[in-house]
Amino acid sequence: GDSVTQMEGPVTLSEEAFLTINCTYTATGYPSLFWYVQYPGEGLQLLLKATKADDKGSNKGFEATYRKETTSFHLEKGSVQVSDSAVYFCALLYNFNKFYFGSGTKLNVKP
Amino acid sequence: DGGITQSPKYLFRKEGQNVTLSCEQNLNHDAMYWYRQDPGQGLRLIYYSQIVNDFQKGDIAEGYSVSREKKESFPLTVTSAQKNPTAFYLCASSIDQISPLHFGNGTRLTVT
Repeated sequence: GDSVTQMEGPVTLSEEAFLTINCTYTATGYPSLFWYVQYPGEGLQLLLKATKADDKGSNKGFEATYRKETTSFHLEKGSVQVSDSAVYFCALLYNFNKFYFGSGTKLNVKP
Repeated sequence: DGGITQSPKYLFRKEGQNVTLSCEQNLNHDAMYWYRQDPGQGLRLIYYSQIVNDFQKGDIAEGYSVSREKKESFPLTVTSAQKNPTAFYLCASSIDQISPLHFGNGTRLTVT
C-alpha cells in the first residue's frame, strides 16, 4: 500500500551546517508530496510542497525536489539555525483526502 | 486571522468517562479531519468529513465518534470504549480534497 518512510532521528547539527532529511515513498500513480514542520506543543505547519515529478518546493531556505525515478522527496537546507529545531514530517496525498505521514524526524540545532 | 482553534490545550479525564474535544475553523474549508499523534509516530487518521452532515471513518475510528452539524465545527468524542486514549489530538482542515492540510495547535488528552 501507499506509505512514506523518512530517516529516523534525532538529527543533531551545529548552527550553519547543511541539512538533509531523507524521505522516500511508495505509491501507485502520481501523489502530491509535502513537508510539514512541528514545533514543540504545536500543530503541524506546511513547509513546502510539490505536485508533480521534478517540481521543486521551497520555503524559508528549505528545498525538496520530487524525484519520481527514485521515489524520493528529500528535505535540504544549506545553513540551519537554532530556530529550525523542530520535528519534520514528510507526507503524501493520493486518491483524494488520503494523506500518509512519515513518522517524523526530530532536528536539534546547537549554537 | 483565519485559522483552526482547538480547545482545550490540555485535558485530563478519568478512565471510563467520555470526553469531547473541540475544533473550530474560520477558513471556510469544506473538509475537516481528526488525527491522533503518539510519541515517535506519524499521524493516524481517526475521522474525516468532506461536507456538512457527512463523515467517514479513518484508519483508527474505533472508540471515537464525530459530528459535523456546521461547516465550522467538527468535534471529536473519545468514548470509554477507546482502549488507549492518552495522546495528542490534531484537528485539520483543507479547502478541498487535493489541497494541503491546515492544522490546529492540538489537544493533549491524558486519561488516568
